[in-house]
Amino acid sequence: SQTIHQWPATLVQPVGSPLSLECTVEGTSNPNLYWYRQAAGRGLQLLFYSVGIGQISSEVPQNLSASRPQDRQFILSSKKLLLSDSGFYLCAWSGGTGVNTEAFFGQGTRLTVV
Amino acid sequence: GENVEQHPSTLSVQEGDSAVIKCTYSDSASNYFPWYKQELGKRPQLIIDIRSNVGEKKDQRIAVTLNKTAKHFSLHITETQPEDSAVYFCAATRGSARQLTFGSGTQLTVLP
Repeated sequence: SQTIHQWPATLVQPVGSPLSLECTVEGTSNPNLYWYRQAAGRGLQLLFYSVGIGQISSEVPQNLSASRPQDRQFILSSKKLLLSDSGFYLCAWSGGTGVNTEAFFGQGTRLTVV
Repeated sequence: GENVEQHPSTLSVQEGDSAVIKCTYSDSASNYFPWYKQELGKRPQLIIDIRSNVGEKKDQRIAVTLNKTAKHFSLHITETQPEDSAVYFCAATRGSARQLTFGSGTQLTVLP
């Protein structure tokens, strides 16, 4: 069966420090991968998605970047964190293009920028 | 791009009553509509979904209806229980990557 791993679960980082969040998926190949952010008490905002290795699409301009170095690995990064980057970050995967399948979420990373 | 609107933002019901949450979407090309339940501090979990070739789907106490012409879909929970209390999100898929656009969420509280 497919599983998705996301770490760390919580992170407290000072303003201006770098960020690296990692997500890996097991049990499937060529998944669509996504990074979402959820501010406190708010909905889920799509940040990035990827349909294949090295293919990254950004939904909103921001202080973050994403990379997909391997088929089942998705990384969210920042060179210098801002206070506004605080939030709950969720990685998700779904089946390939043309398939109406659900998205499965990782456990999330709660990031607090201080 | 897709825009999904969800109402109400908060909903309180007595245990045993029904709860209805409504969503509208803008992109007529969207063809998959999942509903997620998110408990505090946890990841969203799929509870039911519907595809555009179906008008209604039911799973025990939960049902979803879809009106493609009007571009709206609704979640119905019957015989609510305290453990149904959570935030519920509707979503619609669009684009070649099947990316989900989420509604803003509904905080459902079931009062014992």
